[in-house]
Amino acid sequence: GESVGLHLPTLSVQEGDNSIINCAYSNSASDYFIWYKQESGKGPQFIIDIRSNMDKRQGQRVTVLLNKTVKHLSLQIAATQPGDSAVYFCAEKGFSGSARQLTFGSGTQLTVLP
Amino acid sequence: GAVVSQHPSRVICKSGTSVKIECRSLDFQATTMFWYRQFPKQSLMLMATSNEGSKATYEQGVEKDKFLINHASLTLSTLTVTSAHPEDSSFYICSASAGASYTGELFFGEGSRLTVL
Repeated sequence: GESVGLHLPTLSVQEGDNSIINCAYSNSASDYFIWYKQESGKGPQFIIDIRSNMDKRQGQRVTVLLNKTVKHLSLQIAATQPGDSAVYFCAEKGFSGSARQLTFGSGTQLTVLP
Repeated sequence: GAVVSQHPSRVICKSGTSVKIECRSLDFQATTMFWYRQFPKQSLMLMATSNEGSKATYEQGVEKDKFLINHASLTLSTLTVTSAHPEDSSFYICSASAGASYTGELFFGEGSRLTVL
């Protein structure tokens, strides 16, 4: 079946550096993507989303880039802070009716080093 | 922002017993709620879609008689793990949709960690 996956299972960055987390998706019908942050023992927290008619969207310290040609999604975190340490998931939704059903990628563990 | 609450956050039970997990939308009405299961260091896997006033839609491979879902009101969905076994030990997470927008944001609960002895 089609799935959403991540290139790197773990990522360590120095505090203050920029982080880039990547995600590959295989469902060409996907037209909406979300990045979630999950801290240990907690539920996912919405970070930023992007529609397929866009290739870039910026939030506070975060930027999501979408490359539909190669079915690639990335999350950039500027000036990474210790509080950014968590597992990051990309999720996608294809056009399948009204239910907001998401398919999650495998996740990347981001560790911010002091 | 919208808040989704799960209870209990942690539960330990004996093998063969049933456990009920509640998912509540605290400040909005959720016509649709989703139940996910997450094993350690793995992603969230959708178990079922819970629709208020109707039967839940289960994903392939999820036993509907084992994982009973009830969505009796617009603010409450429950997941009951019946005759739990150690392999059912997992982190169960619910999410709720606040609106009809196709790209409407989903709000997630804090999760419920089930340990079956």
